[in-house]
Amino acid sequence: DSGVTQTPKHLITATGQRVTLRCSPRSGDLSVYWYQQSLDQGLQFLIQYYNGEERAKGNILERFSAQQFPDLHSELNLSSLELGDSALYFCASSVGLMAGEGDNEQFFGPGTRLTVL
Amino acid sequence: GENVEQHPSTLSVQEGDSAVIKCTYSDSASNYFPWYKQELGKRPQLIIDIRSNVGEKKDQRIAVTLNKTAKHFSLHITETQPEDSAVYFCAAIPRFINNNDMRFGAGTRLTVKP
Repeated sequence: DSGVTQTPKHLITATGQRVTLRCSPRSGDLSVYWYQQSLDQGLQFLIQYYNGEERAKGNILERFSAQQFPDLHSELNLSSLELGDSALYFCASSVGLMAGEGDNEQFFGPGTRLTVL
Repeated sequence: GENVEQHPSTLSVQEGDSAVIKCTYSDSASNYFPWYKQELGKRPQLIIDIRSNVGEKKDQRIAVTLNKTAKHFSLHITETQPEDSAVYFCAAIPRFINNNDMRFGAGTRLTVKP
């Protein structure tokens, strides 16, 4: 158990719908990262938040948005869902801002499996 | 942006043999290179990492080497065991503080046959 929690574990919805995925980082971690893992595309970095502020973006679609709340939990909002959005969505957390600096290892949550029908 | 290529996509070895997985990257600004192991249906877990100021790092049966000039880095697993069977991902992270973009390789499915 990494200490990072994600809910829900599974989510099945229809095209055009909107869903919210939730992530609680490890106690003391200020950075939260979101990743998408599709069967044919491996792990794709979506976005990073640090202490409530957006810090870096990756390949995140405009239909997707995220935020980090004062208690440091984060939510990833996916709207106007398409079949191709079906994937595993991972959240990870780390102590600091820069991955690879000091002991700033990223710890991954168990993921949310999203199925869009 | 960064582009990371990983080879091979699948690798099958006999228990006790060594396994080597290679990654190349394109952005010379990348300075941090972690390797993750992902077992079926589970989360990625960091197994070893290396920074650009180091050429090699070892942790028991696992080692990583980095060639900055050629822009490639490799994961070496010696004395493989069936529990090493998993998908392994490499990643390259740029240096610039406002661009903490991680690019992952496509993954290598390692099978260790008993």
